[in-house]
Amino acid sequence: QVQLQESGPGLVKPSETLSLTCTVSGGSISSSYYYSSWIRQPPGKGLEWIGHMSYNERPYYNSSLASRVTISVDTSKNQFSLKLASVTAADTAVYFCAGGSSSSKIDFWGQGTLVTVSS
Amino acid sequence: DVVMTQSPLSLPVTLGQPASISCRSSQSLVYSDGNAYLSWFHQRPGQSPRRLIYKASNRDSGVPDRFSGSGSGTDFTLKISRVEAEDVGVYYCMQGTYWPPVTFGQGTRLEIK
Repeated sequence: QVQLQESGPGLVKPSETLSLTCTVSGGSISSSYYYSSWIRQPPGKGLEWIGHMSYNERPYYNSSLASRVTISVDTSKNQFSLKLASVTAADTAVYFCAGGSSSSKIDFWGQGTLVTVSS
Repeated sequence: DVVMTQSPLSLPVTLGQPASISCRSSQSLVYSDGNAYLSWFHQRPGQSPRRLIYKASNRDSGVPDRFSGSGSGTDFTLKISRVEAEDVGVYYCMQGTYWPPVTFGQGTRLEIK
């Protein structure tokens, strides 16, 4: 059974870059499922899709974040990563990585990691 | 982007009673292959979401059969036949037909009366 685990700093200063990694275990990122996604949830609020990529396709980003987001995959490490530049307090959220098939897109989630933007 | 609208946003339910959550999309979610890529997720407090239903009516492995999904086009429903204490939390619908982006409903908070 494929499992996902997010890791990265829990505190980021305003204007800096948020960097998170999602490690895939129990299967291969290039064959066990198709899409690797990042989703976030501000405290007490709903879910916002950030973007996704597949190991053999270009990444796609939420248009509201596209100018600041980079998602990449490292198949050798069985990981995918998120970078969000020029963060503000509005980027404070629990960040989830998720995996899914080519049809249903998001099937399973990591446990999530809280990132707080504060000086 | 496809807008997903859930109702109600808050759902107090007595244990053992049924519950129903509606999800409407701003356009039909039926893809050219005939499937509606509509999923339902349940998020318990402090946990990540867990998928219950995919392609509108298919229950995931391990999901109790008291959960059922139905609907097509723009109107979808998640039903719980008899609510149990472990069912509390927030339920989200999500469309994956017109993506990117996937879009989520606002969430429906189920609580026990």
